[in-house]
Amino acid sequence: DGGITQSPKYLFRKEGQNVTLSCEQNLNHDAMYWYRQDPGQGLRLIYYSQIVNDFQKGDIAEGYSVSREKKESFPLTVTSAQKNPTAFYLCASSPRVPDYTIYFGEGSWLTVV
Amino acid sequence: GENVEQHPSTLSVQEGDSAVIKCTYSDSASNYFPWYKQELGKRPQLIIDIRSNVGEKKDQRIAVTLNKTAKHFSLHITETQPEDSAVYFCAAGTGGFKTIFGAGTRLFVKA
Repeated sequence: DGGITQSPKYLFRKEGQNVTLSCEQNLNHDAMYWYRQDPGQGLRLIYYSQIVNDFQKGDIAEGYSVSREKKESFPLTVTSAQKNPTAFYLCASSPRVPDYTIYFGEGSWLTVV
Repeated sequence: GENVEQHPSTLSVQEGDSAVIKCTYSDSASNYFPWYKQELGKRPQLIIDIRSNVGEKKDQRIAVTLNKTAKHFSLHITETQPEDSAVYFCAAGTGGFKTIFGAGTRLFVKA
């Protein structure tokens, strides 16, 4: 699980700005995910990708965008359309088969100022 | 949609006592049940998991039980220590993006 790197760890954004969170993995996992976690809350799926050049919306995709141009990378852009973006963002990955356990990165804290 | 309910939301125990966290799930197709521990400001880390062909699994002080008929599964921590204090998440599903997480249980172990 130490093979998933997120950056930056802390990010401050002004209202109306887009920001991009980086996620890189060297675990050779096919699938990658983005989750959002609000204080005291559970994990909500934003987007996932099972293969390069393909991704799907999760439960709360509005106001977010992603790309999957490389197997190792799955950046998340938080757009100005996301009305309440302040949260802890977790990138994750998993093999497709046979073990599909999800492993998480260290997370990125985004605060809107 | 499919969901996972987790109880209690907060649990406080004395050091050395046992702690039990319970989850129920709705999707009868679920066959994979991981548990994660998340310390404050850190990432969730897998601590134990169980698959539907197994009823119980142990790893030192941690055990998980599964009742597929009732769609229940539980995490048991024995001889709790202060470093066990964290938020614990259960999850159920068929793996990958089909993994549904519970809302979490905040465990406090009092020294």
